[in-house]
Amino acid sequence: GQQVMQIPQYQHVQEGEDFTTYCNSSTTLSNIQWYKQRPGGHPVFLIQLVKSGEVKKQKRLTFQFGEAKKNSSLHITATQTTDVGTYFCAPLLTSGTYKYIFGTGTRLKVLA
Amino acid sequence: KAGVTQTPRYLIKTRGQQVTLSCSPISGHRSVSWYQQTPGQGLQFLFEYFSETQRNKGNFPGRFSGRQFSNSRSEMNVSTLELGDSALYLCASAASPGDTEAFFGQGTRLTVV
Repeated sequence: GQQVMQIPQYQHVQEGEDFTTYCNSSTTLSNIQWYKQRPGGHPVFLIQLVKSGEVKKQKRLTFQFGEAKKNSSLHITATQTTDVGTYFCAPLLTSGTYKYIFGTGTRLKVLA
Repeated sequence: KAGVTQTPRYLIKTRGQQVTLSCSPISGHRSVSWYQQTPGQGLQFLFEYFSETQRNKGNFPGRFSGRQFSNSRSEMNVSTLELGDSALYLCASAASPGDTEAFFGQGTRLTVV
């Protein structure tokens, strides 16, 4: 079945350092979304990538969709304490079932 | 525009009981998905409803069921509760399935004792 792995599972960084989380799928994806969940909160939509090789930026966040549409990454430049939380990728399968399978998530801790 | 509303926010139940959770999506949204979130298993997809029809179901036992009403509000029911059902149950609303962002509710924290 569909497997979505996110690495790393945890990441502790010093404030100001960069951070990257990777999302890898065993099958080709139709599109992929990224969500952020703050501690004690609920997932909040960040972005959706649809095209092969697509790169989108939101201030310090850069999102990439792989050429083969099997992987994606989220990169945060110069992390801040407000970046703390768990980042999930949510790929949409190409089978058209409209079912999002959330990745395992990467929990980011930023040390001031 | 009101967000996704889930009720109740917190619930404590005893093993063997049943529970019903409610989700009111954003006005105009017709797609509702349910997820179970536990520390060990992450976000697990339960089911998705669109226009009162269940379109997808995750790998959960038959004790987990749901439905959607004509006003798009959705309920999920868990019967014969087990300790392992303790989790945060999240509902996500979207305008249509699949290709738009989903808006999550605050969730219902269920504790089974």
